Amino acid sequence: GAGVSQSPSNKVTEKGKDVELRCDPISGHTALYWYRQSLGQGLEFLIYFQGNSAPDKSGLPSDRFSAERTGGSVSTLTIQRTQQEDSAVYLCASSLGQSSNQPQHFGDGTRLSIL
Amino acid sequence: QQQVKQSPQSLIVQKGGISIINCAYENTAFDYFPWYQQFPGKGPALLIAIRPDVSEKKEGRFTISFNKSAKQFSLHIMDSQPGDSATYFCAASIGGGSEKLVFGKGTKLTVNP
Repeated sequence: GAGVSQSPSNKVTEKGKDVELRCDPISGHTALYWYRQSLGQGLEFLIYFQGNSAPDKSGLPSDRFSAERTGGSVSTLTIQRTQQEDSAVYLCASSLGQSSNQPQHFGDGTRLSIL
Repeated sequence: QQQVKQSPQSLIVQKGGISIINCAYENTAFDYFPWYQQFPGKGPALLIAIRPDVSEKKEGRFTISFNKSAKQFSLHIMDSQPGDSATYFCAASIGGGSEKLVFGKGTKLTVNP
């Protein structure tokens, strides 16, 4: 069975470069979430897409971060001019959407390292 | 402001023992409280979840206890096994879980053989 797929699994880049992280949600899931997990920390919400509604961007830490979701399916998280503090595991989750008790299913994340 | 506080940060139990992890929340609008289990290099996996209209939910060896008046909930792992060694996160959400999850900082559980 296909779960949430994220790519790449690991990304190493130099400070100042732009990076794109991809998330393929579970087929049929209308809600998609991005979280960030820093070393030794819990998961921090970044952004949430639900169907055709405007995304909830309240967790994005700066204007260097952006995300889009094309065709209601695949999502890309973009970090511009990366900084060392951006090093973290970026996790994507999806769910069936605006219904109660619909759990969020997580991918295995992209481990981003900024040199 | 940390909306969900989790303790302890780490926990070591012997095989067959009971593991207990506690969480406290502040926002009374939260109406969905899941627990996630995470193994190294993997994403979090939903373990069990509870709504505030019940005080306890049990699935196999895992039980959530919920105290709405105290704004606290806990995870109990009965007959803990070495395979349970992982990091556990409590979380909370509004909208029955359809909204963003607010996570605790996690508890690293080690179950010794």
